[in-house]
Amino acid sequence: ETGVTQTPRHLVMGMTNKKSLKCEQHLGHNAMYWYKQSAKKPLELMFVYSLEERVENNSVPSRFSPECPNSSHLFLHLHTLQPEDSALYLCASSQDSGRTDTQYFGPGTRLTVL
Amino acid sequence: AQSVSQHNHHVILSEAASLELGCNYSYGGTVNLFWYVQYPGQHLQLLLKYFSGDPLVKGIKGFEAEFIKSKFSFNLRKPSVQWSDTAEYFCAVKDNDYKLSFGAGTTVTVRA
Repeated sequence: ETGVTQTPRHLVMGMTNKKSLKCEQHLGHNAMYWYKQSAKKPLELMFVYSLEERVENNSVPSRFSPECPNSSHLFLHLHTLQPEDSALYLCASSQDSGRTDTQYFGPGTRLTVL
Repeated sequence: AQSVSQHNHHVILSEAASLELGCNYSYGGTVNLFWYVQYPGQHLQLLLKYFSGDPLVKGIKGFEAEFIKSKFSFNLRKPSVQWSDTAEYFCAVKDNDYKLSFGAGTTVTVRA
């Protein structure tokens, strides 16, 4: 059972499509994160939001656009993606964004870009 | 941000065997250390964490990890694995900022 949900679980899109990934946390946390998980590579932090303010954009291409309308919801808007963007996209949340805060992960969205 | 090394890419062992997975991080100072597990088809779950105090940390499902500051290591152990421990295991380190740095993961396959 997870307190962080993600939809859709699987997504196939063409390079010209526009789609969005959704994350919702039910834990009352104040910080939310997007990660990219590619095969045999460490998880890559993409974006961090704390109290709905973006505090990190880890050199992510502009074809990925995050949105955090409130502390429970996080979106990742996708447009004109490349095949190398195919990966598992994970959302996480934590109470706050400090060093002692534990991050809890959602199940991920498996994205395939054709 | 930290660089995290997991020495074993894939470990295969039989049920009841002991497991030890290595994890090293790149530089010292105050760190928080985590092991996460990802079972097939499931989300990343926290196995255990170290913030301070006793360097031997016990987690869920019989796992434990030992923090050795002088070696920048946080190795994960289980004395006797089960088939259900088949999963991918990730070590992660957080230092003075909010960035959680992950290792590349170790795939553990337990044969019945």
